[in-house]
Formats: sequence, C-alpha cells, structure tokens
Amino acid sequence: KNEVEQSPQNLTAQEGEFITINCSYSVGISALHWLQQHPGGGIVSLFMLSSGKKKHGRLIATINIQEKHSSLHITASHPRDSAVYICAVAKGGSEKLVFGKGTKLTVNP
Amino acid sequence: DTGVSQDPRHKITKRGQNVTFRCDPISEHNRLYWYRQTLGQGPEFLTYFQNEAQLEKSRLLSDRFSAERPKGSFSTLEIQRTEQGDSAMYLCASSNNGRGPEAFFGQGTRLTVV
Repeated sequence: KNEVEQSPQNLTAQEGEFITINCSYSVGISALHWLQQHPGGGIVSLFMLSSGKKKHGRLIATINIQEKHSSLHITASHPRDSAVYICAVAKGGSEKLVFGKGTKLTVNP
Repeated sequence: DTGVSQDPRHKITKRGQNVTFRCDPISEHNRLYWYRQTLGQGPEFLTYFQNEAQLEKSRLLSDRFSAERPKGSFSTLEIQRTEQGDSAMYLCASSNNGRGPEAFFGQGTRLTVV
C-alpha cells in the first residue's frame, strides 16, 4: 500500500462546480503539500500545511493530523483549473517528499 | 529571481548513451532535490543535497546515476548507459526551509530513451 493515497484518480466537472480532492497518508509527517501539474510537466506549489486550513483565492486546503487526511477544495471551478493535483508529504525526520499518484481534474465549460 | 530552472526541457537519446541534466535552484536556497516521474505516477525521490553535500540517495539511484552540486549552487544529474526504463520526467526542487522542502519545482527535463 502506498504511503500517500489520493482519491479520486480522475474527476470531471462542469464549470462552476465545487471540487473536492482527498489525500490520506499512513506515516507521521512534518508537512503536507498540495501541488498542481499542468501538461508539459511543470509543478506549482499550491499549499504547504502542517495543521488547520489555508485559503488562496478559490482554493482551500484542510488537514486533520489525527485522522491523517487532507482535502483540497476548489470553489467555482473553471476550465483553467484542469490539471493534475498532487498531494505530497514530508515524512517526520526526513527532508524528502513522498507523493501520491495525483488526481486528474478536467473542468468542462 | 526566476525560480528553479532546468536544462534541457526535453532530451531524446539512444539507448546506451550518457546524458546530463542541469538544475539551477533559487539563489538563496541551500537544499536541492531531484525527483523522477514516470507516466501516470507521482514523482519519486532520487537524491537530496544540502549545500554541496549529498545527504541522501534513493535505492532508485542505481550506479549508472550520479548527481553533483560542486559549489552548492547548481546541480547536475548524469545517467550513464541509458536504458529505455530511464525514460521519465526528471524534476528538480529547491528549498531553504528546515521543515521540509517548500516545493519550489522546476519545469522538469523529459527524457526519452529510444
């Protein structure tokens, strides 16, 4: 079993819909990252969380340390949000990131 | 500062050839990471530098792979005697955050071994 699991693997939505992507992990962590990857490969960091909730524009990320679970929400989704969203954790005591396989989001106009 | 830059963006090579990739991190960042991503998968850790010291290497990094960061600034990743299984996106990230990388990633180098 992977240390970081994401669901769903693929998600198709209509423009304007509220999107939720989930991430569960099985190890102790010092931080959790949500990343966005567009076709062509470049990765952009959206959030780094160690507790609670963060908001940036239409994006909201939450984490529950006790339940080892995080969610990424997108409000009022737009076709330009179409990308792969990746959850990654920094394991406690380690400098490296462990990644989920990603969730491919397609938002149709 | 333009962020983390990687060169080249794309590389096609014949099996058995050697290839070298370069990563220029954000200038004040002392930590530099290499990751590899195969199609449909999340990235996997390869190696990590703090300044010029290579502090951790993954078991994925066979003896055909070598990484350097000679002056604690840019880094190179060399693959010798490439194999088709080496085809992947090679990602570099940099950080100066002691609580794990801040996830400043480059655009990646896509390697295709034919």
